[in-house]
Amino acid sequence: DTEVTQTPKHLVMGMTNKKSLKCEQHMGHRAMYWYKQKAKKPPELMFVYSYEKLSINESVPSRFSPECPNSSLLNLHLHALQPEDSALYLCASSQVGGANVLTFGAGSRLTVL
Amino acid sequence: DAKTTQPTSMDCAEGRAANLPCNHSTISGNEYVYWYRQIHSQGPQYIIHGLKNNETNEMASLIITEDRKSSTLILPHATLRDTAVYYCIVRAPLRGSNYQLIWGAGTKLIIKP
Repeated sequence: DTEVTQTPKHLVMGMTNKKSLKCEQHMGHRAMYWYKQKAKKPPELMFVYSYEKLSINESVPSRFSPECPNSSLLNLHLHALQPEDSALYLCASSQVGGANVLTFGAGSRLTVL
Repeated sequence: DAKTTQPTSMDCAEGRAANLPCNHSTISGNEYVYWYRQIHSQGPQYIIHGLKNNETNEMASLIITEDRKSSTLILPHATLRDTAVYYCIVRAPLRGSNYQLIWGAGTKLIIKP
């Protein structure tokens, strides 16, 4: 299995809603990442988990809350988002150390109304 | 941090070699160059990476100049499925033992029949 699976593919939510994005990989990777990508821009790093522990938070607002329940799963909990948070959210995984090649999922397209 | 600059867009005829340039004049000695591509509405896909030597795999070749200030990604026989945005990336140390991918703005490569 060489894939990173993200659900849902599309999500529309209001500013008062609580929702979650989910990511799963079964490649034995121990580093997992959340990226945010706006239209016609490169991905921007949000969070890095290494061995299920949060190692990097790139000054992301607290309305985004990551969670890594185990080595295969990564969640992003969303609460009280703003319309400008609408974007493609990408999950990725990699080995820790070494070439650090990231495998990306197809992304979750989020629209905040 | 090292930055990369890429042309905004390029065309290439199907069956010909596509040569995508990237400048990274401020790259440090231990920072790798990575290339990813992103086909519309999909997650980024790893292509190749290198430090000093030229590299080749089943997808592409990476030519890095001796001073490491620029590189070229070569797709030897472009097909219509190679139409995508190609990102030139420098991998630089982040906090602790982590690394960050510093993404360029990307080159939109259009393969024409």
